[in-house]
Amino acid sequence: GAGVSQSPSNKVTEKGKDVELRCDPISGHTALYWYRQSLGQGLEFLIYFQGNSAPDKSGLPSDRFSAERTGGSVSTLTIQRTQQEDSAVYLCASSLGGSYLYNEQFFGPGTRLTVL
Amino acid sequence: TQLLEQSPQFLSIQEGENLTVYCNSSSVFSSLQWYRQEPGEGPVLLVTVVTGGEVKKLKRLTFQFGDARKDSSLHITAAQPGDTGLYLCAGPSTSGTYKYIFGTGTRLKVLA
Repeated sequence: GAGVSQSPSNKVTEKGKDVELRCDPISGHTALYWYRQSLGQGLEFLIYFQGNSAPDKSGLPSDRFSAERTGGSVSTLTIQRTQQEDSAVYLCASSLGGSYLYNEQFFGPGTRLTVL
Repeated sequence: TQLLEQSPQFLSIQEGENLTVYCNSSSVFSSLQWYRQEPGEGPVLLVTVVTGGEVKKLKRLTFQFGDARKDSSLHITAAQPGDTGLYLCAGPSTSGTYKYIFGTGTRLKVLA
């Protein structure tokens, strides 16, 4: 059974460029989350998907950030016109999407984004 | 705004010592989770506590949920180098969505 996978594992880009980060959740998991982690600190919630819809986008830092999920599976996080402050590890997690109170999230290894 | 503050931020101890990590909030949480994250990997769930005053044990790790459900602690007995990592607490937002609030993290290093 494959876990959550993310690609690329590392991405170095120049300021002003657009980047796309991909997440493949565990098969059958209806809930998908994106988080941002800076300098090995706590996780900052970005967005949550239930199926293909995103009922909570409140964590997206600016309108340069967007995300979509297709077929209830793969998700892409897009950052337009990247800035140096976007440098961080972007983590994706999926869960069965049952009771949100006890949701176990399974995390991917993350994409380390460096904006020069 | 719901926040989870963890302390200490950093902890470096010798193998065999005991330690306690704290997770505190001014808000009530319906449940709290503890995750451990190792370098280059995503966090892995250790435990979920759901009842005020609940105590759960996982081998040498003991987790407690405060009576008022505003705080939690993680106690490690006889720490081992394999316990090294970033410990994170997390809880569901009261907004009613699936948003999770993560703590600021405690970075533990156990020296052999």
